[in-house]
Amino acid sequence: QKEVEQNSGPLSVPEGAIASLNCTYSDRGSQSFFWYRQYSGKSPELIMFIYSNGDKEDGRFTAQLNKASQYVSLLIRDSQPSDSATYLCAVRRGSQGNLIFGKGTKLSVKP
Amino acid sequence: EPEVTQTPSHQVTQMGQEVILRCVPISNHLYFYWYRQILGQKVEFLVSFYNNEISEKSEIFDDQFSVERPDGSNFTLKIRSTKLEDSAMYFCASSGLGLAERYNEQFFGPGTRLTVL
Repeated sequence: QKEVEQNSGPLSVPEGAIASLNCTYSDRGSQSFFWYRQYSGKSPELIMFIYSNGDKEDGRFTAQLNKASQYVSLLIRDSQPSDSATYLCAVRRGSQGNLIFGKGTKLSVKP
Repeated sequence: EPEVTQTPSHQVTQMGQEVILRCVPISNHLYFYWYRQILGQKVEFLVSFYNNEISEKSEIFDDQFSVERPDGSNFTLKIRSTKLEDSAMYFCASSGLGLAERYNEQFFGPGTRLTVL
C-alpha cells in the first residue's frame, strides 16, 4: 500500500514566522512530488512541485526533497494569515498518472 | 487563465439513484482525472482517462462507476446506484503537455459536493 504521511496539526505560527511542513512517502518509485493548498470547502491548489533532490524556491515557498530518506518538506517564509489552510503533500510515480495524497497538515497563522 | 469547471456545485440524491457529475477540462489538456474527498479525509484517486479510454483506476472505482467523454469538451463521472458512503466532494482534474516542468501539473476543478440521503 503506497502511503503518504503528514502530521495533521494544527500547526500554529505567528505572522511573519517560518512555517515548516513535512511529509514522508513509502513508495521508492515515486518521481514527482507536489504541495497543494486547500482552503476549507475548496479544491486543492498547486503551490510547488519538485522532482530532484535538494531545494526549490518560488517566492516565499521552498520545497525540499530527500529521496534517500523519502522525505519532502515545504517551508513558508514570512507567513501571512492568508496562508492559513490545509497543506496537502502528493506524490506520483511517473510523469503522468494519479496523485497519492496525504491527509494534509492544517496551518494556522496568527496575526 | 484557463480553468477546469464542474457542474453542479452541489448534488443531492436519494440512495439507489444514478448521478452524473460533469467536468469541462482545460481545452488543450489530454489527461483527465476524477478524485474524491470524503469530509475530513484525504483526497483519493478514482480514475484517469487518456486517449478516450481509462488508463488507470483505483479499487474504489468499481462497477458502479463509469466515465465518459461524450464530446470534445465534457468529461463525466456516472455513479449508477448511489450509496450513502458515496457522499463526498468529487474533483475533476486535467493535465496536458507543455513546456519545461509544468507539462504534467494537474489542475483541479472546484468540485461537486455529492450528498446521498
